[in-house]
Amino acid sequence: GAGVSQSPSNKVTEKGKDVELRCDPISGHTALYWYRQSLGQGLEFLIYFQGNSAPDKSGLPSDRFSAERTGGSVSTLTIQRTQQEDSAVYLCASVGGVNTGELFFGEGSRLTVL
Amino acid sequence: SQQGEEDPQALSIQEGENATMNCSYKTSINNLQWYRQNSGRGLVHLILIRSNEREKHSGRLRVTLDTSKKSSSLLITASRAADTASYFCATVLYNQGGKLIFGQGTELSVKP
Repeated sequence: GAGVSQSPSNKVTEKGKDVELRCDPISGHTALYWYRQSLGQGLEFLIYFQGNSAPDKSGLPSDRFSAERTGGSVSTLTIQRTQQEDSAVYLCASVGGVNTGELFFGEGSRLTVL
Repeated sequence: SQQGEEDPQALSIQEGENATMNCSYKTSINNLQWYRQNSGRGLVHLILIRSNEREKHSGRLRVTLDTSKKSSSLLITASRAADTASYFCATVLYNQGGKLIFGQGTELSVKP
């Protein structure tokens, strides 16, 4: 597609349930990021995929969070046993190459855990 | 602690005035980028400045980088009400494979 696509745009779930958030990056982009943004806050780095290298998972807040990127394209962020503090906007971004540097963001998935 | 910290956290100005936002960072970087965010959703890239550059312009935007002070500034000249948004700096950490870390942002309000 023309831009980074994220789904769902909004998700309301009950505490303890698992959720999956999907990101379709721009075709051909080699790198993909996930960030989390709480209301009125900055972006918290979660995970970074670059080509075929092992992902940088250093930002994942707990082992309830995991992410995968299949075929070097679509990525899924999974949150198991959701907690109320997981409520936030989850943003995905892709990058065309190491030398370009510019991130293209999706519109985010707003997660609300009741 | 955050790699990038913006200052001020919030800025309110009148249309036509200039807006200056500052960003400080802690470790060596490959490049520094500025992004804009409306309504808490997707961010839009504004400008990228590399570690060997000192100043860059794009339209009404002027970015400076001082690596000795580990700081950058974003100047928006002749501001417009449509410039109202949150502005974030982001740094690509040196030798960490392109990982991009964002600051907390400056919330700019431009009053007509």
